[in-house]
Amino acid sequence: ILNVEQSPQSLHVQEGDSTNFTCSFPSSNFYALHWYRWETAKSPEALFVMTLNGDEKKKGRISATLNTKEGYSYLYIKGSQPEDSATYLCAFTMDSSYKLIFGSGTRLLVRP
Amino acid sequence: NAGVTQTPKFQVLKTGQSMTLQCAQDMNHEYMSWYRQDPGMGLRLIHYSVGAGITDQGEVPNGYNVSRSTTEDFPLRLLSAAPSQTSVYFCASRAIVGYIEQFFGPGTRLTVL
Repeated sequence: ILNVEQSPQSLHVQEGDSTNFTCSFPSSNFYALHWYRWETAKSPEALFVMTLNGDEKKKGRISATLNTKEGYSYLYIKGSQPEDSATYLCAFTMDSSYKLIFGSGTRLLVRP
Repeated sequence: NAGVTQTPKFQVLKTGQSMTLQCAQDMNHEYMSWYRQDPGMGLRLIHYSVGAGITDQGEVPNGYNVSRSTTEDFPLRLLSAAPSQTSVYFCASRAIVGYIEQFFGPGTRLTVL
């Protein structure tokens, strides 16, 4: 059974704080790691897809890093804003498989 | 492009009733999948397909059937609904070569009484 673990489960921060979350995944047979942003009552929206060890991706104040050898990825949000409040999901794909296996997410709440 | 569309948006069923959740995509994606979302459990894969005529089970397939007769459509069938199937269902699609971002439909909220 493939396990994708995310931590923390939830996070409450003040506006302006920077924050980061962790996604752990099996390091063998790695193909891709996906990060999604998911707001209540909406469908998940892709943030990043990373495939190479050492990959770093950035979109505005959000960035992500990838370590496939040790099986983890970090998502960073710089200067959190209330509109960043959402659940952040990571998903893992093995090579020779097309399935995305999701973690249970990190729920972020940014207080004004 | 409409992307990934799902119908209905909401549905209430009685235990034992059957129904089909519809999913369609217009991006010519080979891979399509169904997830259910339950509180505290993230997204769990029900069934998936890598092309017309090919389907396979995910993590939680019991109680659900799928078929893929065309590239565009991937319906999910509940043969005899149970209260444990109360959930939000998401359909998703992606290409299997090249850019591999997965796109989600808007979801179907199902309640089984």
